[in-house]
Amino acid sequence: AQKVTQAQTEISVVEKEDVTLDCVYETRDTTYYLFWYKQPPSGELVFLIRRNSFDEQNEISGRYSWNFQKSTSSFNFTITASQVVDSAVYFCALSEGVGPGSNYQLIWGAGTKLIIKP
Amino acid sequence: DAGVIQSPRHEVTEMGQEVTLRCKPISGHDYLFWYRQTMMRGLELLIYFNNNVPIDDSGMPEDRFSAKMPNASFSTLKIQPSEPRDSAVYFCASSRGGRSYNEQFFGPGTRLTVL
Repeated sequence: AQKVTQAQTEISVVEKEDVTLDCVYETRDTTYYLFWYKQPPSGELVFLIRRNSFDEQNEISGRYSWNFQKSTSSFNFTITASQVVDSAVYFCALSEGVGPGSNYQLIWGAGTKLIIKP
Repeated sequence: DAGVIQSPRHEVTEMGQEVTLRCKPISGHDYLFWYRQTMMRGLELLIYFNNNVPIDDSGMPEDRFSAKMPNASFSTLKIQPSEPRDSAVYFCASSRGGRSYNEQFFGPGTRLTVL
């Protein structure tokens, strides 16, 4: 059965610290996608990244980086030099299959609330 | 380019009233999704459309909920009659077809309160 686990319910750090948000997934498919979304206090859901199961290269985008490890079924998200504006709930999600006919449903983790203190 | 547009942003209504939520997807996107978010249940997919056709409505909680997509640029989610347990944030999302089919972009949401 497919499942996404974000074990950290809430994380609180002081500004400029690095912080890693954990995501562990379960799937029987060999082809799947993983996502991270950000939900700031204003409420909208902002797409951050999509990775497919064939690409295990780490991704870096400014202060954000993602570490995908199939061996541990994890897709962790690190924010370097955190800022107050990074405060939000972050969701990890899984989509199985590829292309038309696949299951389009995203399986969502419960989210991790990140608090960055000034 | 405009993102996904939802209206209203906030809706307060009384139990038993009909509620209609509206969504305009990103132009050129073939897929449209309706989600509900609550503290207890997190994000739940209610229904999704491909090229205006409903594909999977298994997430629609009960017959009081209905969704339509009369054309590529407009969709509605209707609740009739509304109940207090329907209080939630309702999101609409859209995505392209092809290789980007599951890269969903969300609207700002409609916060529904049923008294």
